[in-house]
Amino acid sequence: GAVVSQHPSWVICKSGTSVKIECRSLDFQATTMFWYRQFPKQSLMLMATSNEGSKATYEQGVEKDKFLINHASLTLSTLTVTSAHPEDSSFYICSAHPPIGNIQYFGAGTRLSVL
Amino acid sequence: RKEVEQDPGPFNVPEGATVAFNCTYSNSASQSFFWYRQDCRKEPKLLMSVYSSGNEDGRFTAQLNRASQYISLLIRDSKLSDSATYLCVVNPRSGNTGKLIFGQGTTLQVKP
Repeated sequence: GAVVSQHPSWVICKSGTSVKIECRSLDFQATTMFWYRQFPKQSLMLMATSNEGSKATYEQGVEKDKFLINHASLTLSTLTVTSAHPEDSSFYICSAHPPIGNIQYFGAGTRLSVL
Repeated sequence: RKEVEQDPGPFNVPEGATVAFNCTYSNSASQSFFWYRQDCRKEPKLLMSVYSSGNEDGRFTAQLNRASQYISLLIRDSKLSDSATYLCVVNPRSGNTGKLIFGQGTTLQVKP
């Protein structure tokens, strides 16, 4: 079964609204989670690293005020796309890895469509 | 130069064929290597880790050449269900433990 749960799986929203995506580790505590974005026919691109109890680390070119990340517990990280626009339409995927080992497990992804 | 490069394909092969994918990475200090499989509109799923000595899992064989910074995946006796995009993934371990760099992916289509 899934070890990382992501919700919702699909969102359609109007331009200007904010969308929150949740990522939960089900069988382990994750001090670090990762948020990726994937545009059609492109690779996954790391957006930010979510750190439990501290600020997220954003990759170059990713606006931290637009993509708000909160990692308030050891099993939950949230990504909020604020004031979404059509160009934010994409497949957003989170991942986490257990404390031991270097295997990352991915959530099922959230397909965001901004009209 | 991209950090992880793959031929995007598509590779169209008949059932039963053997197919090989290649991948190169730019960071010579990279520590961990993986092949992930991604089906259309789904999340990536780990296919196998890649070890320096090479490793095999059923019909799948992965090889790593650190000197050439090259990773390969061999699929024998292709099945229709092998049709997917195969992602070469590298962990550069450059300060951010667990940060993964993904290749563009190689698309495989196995035909009856």
